Amino acid sequence: GNSVTQMEGPVTLSEEAFLTINCTYTATGYPSLFWYVQYPGEGLQLLLKATKADDKGSNKGFEATYRKETTSFHLEKGSVQVSDSAVYFCALPDSWGKLQFGAGTQVVVTP
Amino acid sequence: ETGVTQTPRHLVMGMTNKKSLKCEQHLGHNAMYWYKQSAKKPLELMFVYNFKEQTENNSVPSRFSPECPNSSHLFLHLHTLQPEDSALYLCASSQDLSAVITSDTQYFGPGTRLTVL
Repeated sequence: GNSVTQMEGPVTLSEEAFLTINCTYTATGYPSLFWYVQYPGEGLQLLLKATKADDKGSNKGFEATYRKETTSFHLEKGSVQVSDSAVYFCALPDSWGKLQFGAGTQVVVTP
Repeated sequence: ETGVTQTPRHLVMGMTNKKSLKCEQHLGHNAMYWYKQSAKKPLELMFVYNFKEQTENNSVPSRFSPECPNSSHLFLHLHTLQPEDSALYLCASSQDLSAVITSDTQYFGPGTRLTVL
């Protein structure tokens, strides 16, 4: 079945550093791909999505490109802020409409 | 504010207590979900309701009992829980079960932090 694998954390960075969180997927066909973010004390919220190969999703300075050749959907941000400290989840739907989440990557940004 | 609310936000209960978690969505959605989020474990899907019908019970112990009286409300009734049931319980909703296939998203509530003593 469809699944995602994402890099383990925690990832600790200084403010203004470049962030990359790796996500690779296994899927039948070409499902939509999602990144969710969970800030401390909150539920998950959609950060960005891509619906087909070569699509780039972007939001709040974050970007991710749907790469069919490498089955990847890596999340990047050029200059992180302390407020980006959160847990980030890569996800994709299975054939029955259920979201399959990665294990989550905790990001800690220090001033 | 995602349009999905959960109450209570925090709950402490003994193993012999009976309590209920409540979820309400104001988005006009037809599918609702319960997830369990434990420390150092992936998100676990527990139950799915689509148009008030339960479509998924992911091998959840019977001490967890869901109820979906209408498309806007979802409950999780708890009884005789174990300490390992302590976790963050997240509710989510989507337009319907196929929403994420067509690239729509699930909307999550803030969760109920449950501690079982």
